[in-house]
Amino acid sequence: DAKTTQPPSMDCAEGRAANLPCNHSTISGNEYVYWYRQIHSQGPQYIIHGLKNNETNEMASLIITEDRKSSTLILPHATLRDTAVYYCIVRVGETSGSRLTFGEGTQLTVNP
Amino acid sequence: EAGVAQSPRYKIIEKRQSVAFWCNPISGHATLYWYQQILGQGPKLLIQFQNNGVVDDSQLPKDRFSAERLKGVDSTLKIQPAKLEDSAVYLCASSLTPGLGTDTQYFGPGTRLTVL
Repeated sequence: DAKTTQPPSMDCAEGRAANLPCNHSTISGNEYVYWYRQIHSQGPQYIIHGLKNNETNEMASLIITEDRKSSTLILPHATLRDTAVYYCIVRVGETSGSRLTFGEGTQLTVNP
Repeated sequence: EAGVAQSPRYKIIEKRQSVAFWCNPISGHATLYWYQQILGQGPKLLIQFQNNGVVDDSQLPKDRFSAERLKGVDSTLKIQPAKLEDSAVYLCASSLTPGLGTDTQYFGPGTRLTVL
């Protein structure tokens, strides 16, 4: 699986958009970008995933650059409950059951 | 819908003792995963089951770690004997059968193991 690079930490004001970047310059054509987050003392939680088109769900939006070498997770209106470690993961396939390889992620702190 | 259940939530043992963790996946999920998460790091996959068969155990330290998933539902992860470096959170996750929709992994709350 392709390696990802994320900033170790970010801060965001409550109510503002949180934009979390991820670099995956060695991504292959059949690899998807997944985002999970882990709130303190809980297991990771799936947020969103995509291949090359931008994706949106009730939690977040995922913007993937045209060359697919980087992506941005957007939390449109961050709340205190969004404080967590956010993991960007690249993996082969969407339904293959292949492993998730977690890096160290980005610690997002949402401030009041 | 009930989530992934794990027990115990916390365990403290001395080195060289043995310990076992239990996981009950979401009903109907054929794939089960055990991850190890050391403090400050992301989770690392230890073993993956498809029903009751092992799909990937390449990162499982087989000299001391073992896991089973009898009847393709519940699973147990065992460490014998434990070492200090096994102190970590052990996470269980489950997902639908690959090929049947996006195999989002759902994680349990984890078991925090402290080895003294």
